[in-house]
Amino acid sequence: AQSVTQLGSHVSVSEGALVLLRCNYSSSVPPYLFWYVQYPNQGLQLLLKYTTGATLVKGINGFEAEFKKSETSFHLTKPSAHMSDAAEYFCAVSLIIQGAQKLVFGQGTRLTINP
Amino acid sequence: AAGVIQSPRHLIKEKRETATLKCYPIPRHDTVYWYQQGPGQDPQFLISFYEKMQSDKGSIPDRFSAQQFSDYHSELNMSSLELGDSALYFCASSIRQGSNTQYFGPGTRLTVL
Repeated sequence: AQSVTQLGSHVSVSEGALVLLRCNYSSSVPPYLFWYVQYPNQGLQLLLKYTTGATLVKGINGFEAEFKKSETSFHLTKPSAHMSDAAEYFCAVSLIIQGAQKLVFGQGTRLTINP
Repeated sequence: AAGVIQSPRHLIKEKRETATLKCYPIPRHDTVYWYQQGPGQDPQFLISFYEKMQSDKGSIPDRFSAQQFSDYHSELNMSSLELGDSALYFCASSIRQGSNTQYFGPGTRLTVL
């Protein structure tokens, strides 16, 4: 069965520092991978996605992620953290079963930005 | 751009009461998904519909039911509410073809007292 593991439930970085949020997946078939961000008391906003093609994917707000099949990873990065990046980040893999799709989420990583 | 609309945004119910949550997908999206997010938890898939037919079922209690209507909006009906049903309920919609990217609504926060 497909699953997602996010390493580190809490990550804290200084403003202007590199952000690295780790995500590893397991899948028996090529996966679709997603990163969503959730601000306090809000819904899930799509940051970026990998389906096919280029393995380095750029998203909104300066985030990007690289799909590495050999490492079964899809880590999220941002070169310079901003205070507004403080939020919960979820990595997700899609399961396609008989044409339907559901998302399986990782446990989430809470990102804190220190001034 | 139009987004997924959920109503109500907040709902407070007593134990054993019923609740109905509504979801209006992005125009031209034909698939709707429901997820439940408990406090400090990741979202868990409940159920999905494509073209008004149930397409997949996850960890949805038997006390819950859902349907998708001809205008593609969906309703999640919850009966005999329990304290443990208190959670954020998200609806997401997608177009079945291609990457099937799901776009989420703002959620309905259900509190069961």
